[in-house]
Amino acid sequence: GEDVEQSLFLSVREGDSSVINCTYTDSSSTYLYWYKQEPGAGLQLLTYIFSNMDMKQDQRLTVLLNKKDKHLSLRIADTQTGDSAIYFCAEGYYGSGNTGKLIFGQGTTLQVKP
Amino acid sequence: EAQVTQNPRYLITVTGKKLTVTCSQNMNHEYMSWYRQDPGLGLRQIYYSMNVEVTDKGDVPEGYKVSRKEKRNFPLILESPSPNQTSLYFCASSFEAGYEQFFGPGTRLTVL
Repeated sequence: GEDVEQSLFLSVREGDSSVINCTYTDSSSTYLYWYKQEPGAGLQLLTYIFSNMDMKQDQRLTVLLNKKDKHLSLRIADTQTGDSAIYFCAEGYYGSGNTGKLIFGQGTTLQVKP
Repeated sequence: EAQVTQNPRYLITVTGKKLTVTCSQNMNHEYMSWYRQDPGLGLRQIYYSMNVEVTDKGDVPEGYKVSRKEKRNFPLILESPSPNQTSLYFCASSFEAGYEQFFGPGTRLTVL
């Protein structure tokens, strides 16, 4: 079945790198997404990776995908206090018959200490 | 500005009193969807709509109704709210199913 798992909490010091991990079960997913949710706000798409890619880099963000282990990670370099938020990974599908549904993990709360 | 708007942002109501949460998008998107977010569970899809007049159930549709009479609007209706529907609700839209979804700011609902 469809399931996405994340650890619930991560605390880092400002300036360090943060790595948020996610595992998923459905190997037919097409896209894997990282969303950021700041307090009182909606979800902001940070980045996404196609399931046929291993890595994607976008400024301070690096996404790594290990399809064999069904493991996705988000690395934030030089983490700042403004990065404090809840981070969700989600998997989605593109193709005939898909419903557009995103399967979300539980969310990882990132706390950045000054 | 391209956006998804929801109203109200906050609502406290009582069991059994019908309510509607509105959702509107100005991006001419075909696909719209409702999710609820609960602590430790992430977001779960309630209903979705592939295009006008076409809606279908998501993973947690019980107690909810939707309609899609116009492309831009996708209201969520709770005919008889119960306390277990206390949650944070998000509307989302995308060009079509499978494309990037844009989320509204959320509606925090409390049912007493």
